[in-house]
Amino acid sequence: AQSVTQLGSHVSVSEGALVLLRCNYSSSVPPYLFWYVQYPNQGLQLLLKYTSAATLVKGINGFEAEFKKSETSFHLTKPSAHMSDAAEYFCAVSEAGGSNYKLTFGKGTLLTVNP
Amino acid sequence: DTAVSQTPKYLVTQMGNDKSIKCEQNLGHDTMYWYKQDSKKFLKIMFSYNNKELIINETVPNRFSPKSPDKAHLNLHINSLELGDSAVYFCASSPPRGTDTQYFGPGTRLTVL
Repeated sequence: AQSVTQLGSHVSVSEGALVLLRCNYSSSVPPYLFWYVQYPNQGLQLLLKYTSAATLVKGINGFEAEFKKSETSFHLTKPSAHMSDAAEYFCAVSEAGGSNYKLTFGKGTLLTVNP
Repeated sequence: DTAVSQTPKYLVTQMGNDKSIKCEQNLGHDTMYWYKQDSKKFLKIMFSYNNKELIINETVPNRFSPKSPDKAHLNLHINSLELGDSAVYFCASSPPRGTDTQYFGPGTRLTVL
């Protein structure tokens, strides 16, 4: 079974600072990897995904992530944090379950942005 | 034009009751899911349906019974509710490929007293 580990359950940055949220995966096959964001009391929204094309993936709201096979990592970055980025971020791997696929999520990282 | 909708948004009930959560998607997807998010925000798949057929059942107690009347709807019925069932339940839909994005509903917060 595939798994995802998010290092740091809580990351706090200042507005304008670099955001780095860490995700490592475990997979015996080439993975499909996703980052989702959850704002308070809302559902999950896709930020970006890696599907074995370009290793540097750009997403919405200025976020990007780089797939590094040698490090089994898919860290999420943003050069300059905004207050509106405060949310819970989930890394996930898509795994086959019979003829369907399911998302296996990491435990999430809460990002707080300080003024 | 909500893509994936769920009703109700909040559900408060007593232990032992039976309740249902409804989900509808207007994206034309064949595949739908139920996920459970616990109090620590951990998300875990419960069920997946493909065109009304149950494909994934992740060792969920049989008090939980999903039903898909058509491929745009996936409902979740829960019998004999327990305190541990308190969570946020998310419905999602997607095309069937592993590379495809899953679109999530707004969630239903279930509180069992």
